[in-house]
Amino acid sequence: GENVEQHPSTLSVQEGDSAVIKCTYSDSASNYFPWYKQELGKGPQLIIDIRSNVGEKKDQRIAVTLNKTAKHFSLHITETQPEDSAVYFCAPRSNDYKLSFGAGTTVTVRA
Amino acid sequence: DSGVTQTPKHLITATGQRVTLRCSPRSGDLSVYWYQQSLDQGLQFLIQYYNGEERAKGNILERFSAQQFPDLHSELNLSSLELGDSALYFCASSGGAGGNQPQHFGDGTRLSIL
Repeated sequence: GENVEQHPSTLSVQEGDSAVIKCTYSDSASNYFPWYKQELGKGPQLIIDIRSNVGEKKDQRIAVTLNKTAKHFSLHITETQPEDSAVYFCAPRSNDYKLSFGAGTTVTVRA
Repeated sequence: DSGVTQTPKHLITATGQRVTLRCSPRSGDLSVYWYQQSLDQGLQFLIQYYNGEERAKGNILERFSAQQFPDLHSELNLSSLELGDSALYFCASSGGAGGNQPQHFGDGTRLSIL
């Protein structure tokens, strides 16, 4: 099965600064790379995704970059705001179409 | 709001009992996925159904079973419950069968075994 490692496990940033989370996966056949945000008491919410034929995708303050050769992809949040505080998960999908979730990164944005 | 509805939100029961969790997918979605989230195992895929048929299986125990009905809602049945089954159970849905479309999650059912 897919081995997924997510770093860091916790991240504290000052409001307005940037946050970067990295996800490393093992299955070279993985072809879809989503990031989910989970707030307390809620289910994971898809915030951005990228497919293997694209290197970077941006949506306002959020971006994802993919390096298929090195088998990692990263989530970038710019101009962080208090509402960005949450747990973020990467979940690469391999050829069997299953999502394999990382252990999560707890992001805290300090006002 | 993801459009995926899960009931109940909370469930408290005892060891050895059986419970049923229910999920209504987003309108138009044919695939339903079940996940378990616990502190020690993280988010783990259990099983997928597409248009009423089992499509993929993950780390689902034999004491657990699921089905998808003609109206596309799904139920996850957990039996002979053990303390270690205490967890959050999430349902997700997507439009396609092969997982080529994004999965959208409900807000889960929190199961507590006493």
